[in-house]
Amino acid sequence: QKEVEQNSGPLSVPEGAIASLNCTYSDRVSQSFFWYRQYSGKSPELIMSIYSNGDKEDGRFTAQLNKASQYVSLLIRDSQPSDSATYLCAVSRRFGNEKLTFGTGTRLTIIP
Amino acid sequence: GAVVSQHPSWVICKSGTSVKIECRSLDFQATTMFWYRQFPKQSLMLMATSNEGSKATYEQGVEKDKFLINHASLTLSTLTVTSAHPEDSSFYICSANGGQTEAFFGQGTRLTVV
Repeated sequence: QKEVEQNSGPLSVPEGAIASLNCTYSDRVSQSFFWYRQYSGKSPELIMSIYSNGDKEDGRFTAQLNKASQYVSLLIRDSQPSDSATYLCAVSRRFGNEKLTFGTGTRLTIIP
Repeated sequence: GAVVSQHPSWVICKSGTSVKIECRSLDFQATTMFWYRQFPKQSLMLMATSNEGSKATYEQGVEKDKFLINHASLTLSTLTVTSAHPEDSSFYICSANGGQTEAFFGQGTRLTVV
């Protein structure tokens, strides 16, 4: 079992719709959860971080965490073509100064 | 957010030579830096963790004598790929953390060994 699992996609979503990305993790003691966006050939860019159960909203992005189910998701509202990228879920055991374990990423394509 | 600068952004070297990659935190002191490697269509895999002034901690399967990491100051860590071979061709990415809850990534270095 992989430590962090994501559906590799590709996931295609019409422009203006909601894109839903999912991630499960195996380490129950995980404390910090991150979503990164990575464009082809570029370094990952932090989109959202979440540390406690529930929802966290930032603009068009909402992260959801359920530690009991070991599940974290990212919703992108009003999807734009510029959102087309690979989205990486990352998990760490502690807050700060801790190595990240990444999922393999979900490739998202927004269709104009 | 904090800025992490990685240099060079790309490098081509001959098989058997060594290549040094620099990772600098520009506006904060990075007590910990992480080095990742990403092969095409794969995710980031942690290679090693370096703390300022101490030896790096390498992940299982990563050769410490081949991938030399130096973290001599709070703003600079270097990764040297020694005796590079074509299978070392990859995208190398550093991240730095100075006590924040999130780590910040450099721009990455595309290494091609010919």
